Amino acid sequence: AQSVAQPEDQVNVAEGNPLTVKCTYSVSGNPYLFWYVQYPNRGLQFLLKYITGDNLVKGSYGFEAEFNKSQTSFHLKKPSALVSDSALYFCAVSHDRDDKIIFGKGTRLHILP
Amino acid sequence: DAGVIQSPRHEVTEMGQEVTLRCKPISGHNSLFWYRQTMMRGLELLIYFNNNVPIDDSGMPEDRFSAKMPNASFSTLKIQPSEPRDSAVYFCASSLRLGPQETQYFGPGTRLLVL
Repeated sequence: AQSVAQPEDQVNVAEGNPLTVKCTYSVSGNPYLFWYVQYPNRGLQFLLKYITGDNLVKGSYGFEAEFNKSQTSFHLKKPSALVSDSALYFCAVSHDRDDKIIFGKGTRLHILP
Repeated sequence: DAGVIQSPRHEVTEMGQEVTLRCKPISGHNSLFWYRQTMMRGLELLIYFNNNVPIDDSGMPEDRFSAKMPNASFSTLKIQPSEPRDSAVYFCASSLRLGPQETQYFGPGTRLLVL
């Protein structure tokens, strides 16, 4: 069975500082990993995904994530946080034997001005 | 270019009433997903369709929940009768194809409150 964990319910970062939102996963087979963002009263928006190839994936709004197979992690990063990055971030995983995507519980990111 | 459209955006109803949520996927997408989001349980997949055919409804919580997709541009999620524990935000999402690598595009959600 596949699963995804976001160990932090909330992350606080000062504006301009680098940010990291953590994600670990467990799957049988090749993992496909996603990050989505949800702003208040909105649906989830796709940020980036890892399917294969380069372990460093670049996505929307300056975000990037690094696939680490040995640590089964896919942490989301941004070099310099903006107040407008404050939102709920979801990590998600699927694998090549299932069409379903499993979402983590979400991490609320607060960027402090 | 319109994204996934959901209606209504908000619904308040009384326990026992029938509730119908509607979704129009992105044109050209052949897969559609219904999710439910609550604080306690997070984001749960209820059911998904491929080419208008239900593929997996194992996430549907009870027989009170049903979903249909009569054509490629419309789907409904119905709750009959509704109960207070059904209060949640219901999202519809679509993807170009069915597959584990596919990006899903979410609608704005329907916030349901059952009194």
